[in-house]
Amino acid sequence: TQLLEQSPQFLSIQEGENLTVYCNSSSVFSSLQWYRQEPGEGPVLLVTVVTGGEVKKLKRLTFQFGDARKDSSLHITAAQPGDTGLYLCAGEGRSNYKLTFGKGTLLTVNP
Amino acid sequence: DSGVTQTPKHLITATGQRVTLRCSPRSGDLSVYWYQQSLDQGLQFLIHYYNGEERAKGNILERFSAQQFPDLHSELNLSSLELGDSALYFCASSVVRSSRLSDGYTFGSGTRLTVV
Repeated sequence: TQLLEQSPQFLSIQEGENLTVYCNSSSVFSSLQWYRQEPGEGPVLLVTVVTGGEVKKLKRLTFQFGDARKDSSLHITAAQPGDTGLYLCAGEGRSNYKLTFGKGTLLTVNP
Repeated sequence: DSGVTQTPKHLITATGQRVTLRCSPRSGDLSVYWYQQSLDQGLQFLIHYYNGEERAKGNILERFSAQQFPDLHSELNLSSLELGDSALYFCASSVVRSSRLSDGYTFGSGTRLTVV
């Protein structure tokens, strides 16, 4: 069973601060995806990383895939209240198309 | 609107009953996935269908079943409902382009099931 551990579980910060959330596993994944989920809605895909060591930037969000393709991080610069939500990482298995999700990091950005 | 339609949005039913959740995937997507989300377990994979055929099963109870129809919509049937089945049920669809990569999932807004 492939497990993804996300940390921290909860994070409450002030507007303008920077933060990093982590996604770790002992398993190797073909790709790793990050989603954001708002209350009452389904998760929305933010980014997919595929190559070990890959770094992708999406405005103030920076995503990194570990060299061994077992872990990933999401860094947000100058957080805004609109960044509030549940951030989920999900790994794609090497032999199937099933995504395994971490339990998520619940981020609250206070104005 | 993500393009994935789930109905109903809310469902309240009694223990022992049976319900059917419906999902229409995004146009062009052949894969449909069902997930259960609860506060303590997070998003748990239930089942995956690709073009009408079951591809993978996860932590799906025997009381639960699913199917994907020729028009690619899918239904998740939950029977003999228990209090612990109360959760958000999400459907997602995807386009699988190669043997390794997927473009990510597009999720519907979910069905909130409450068993009383």
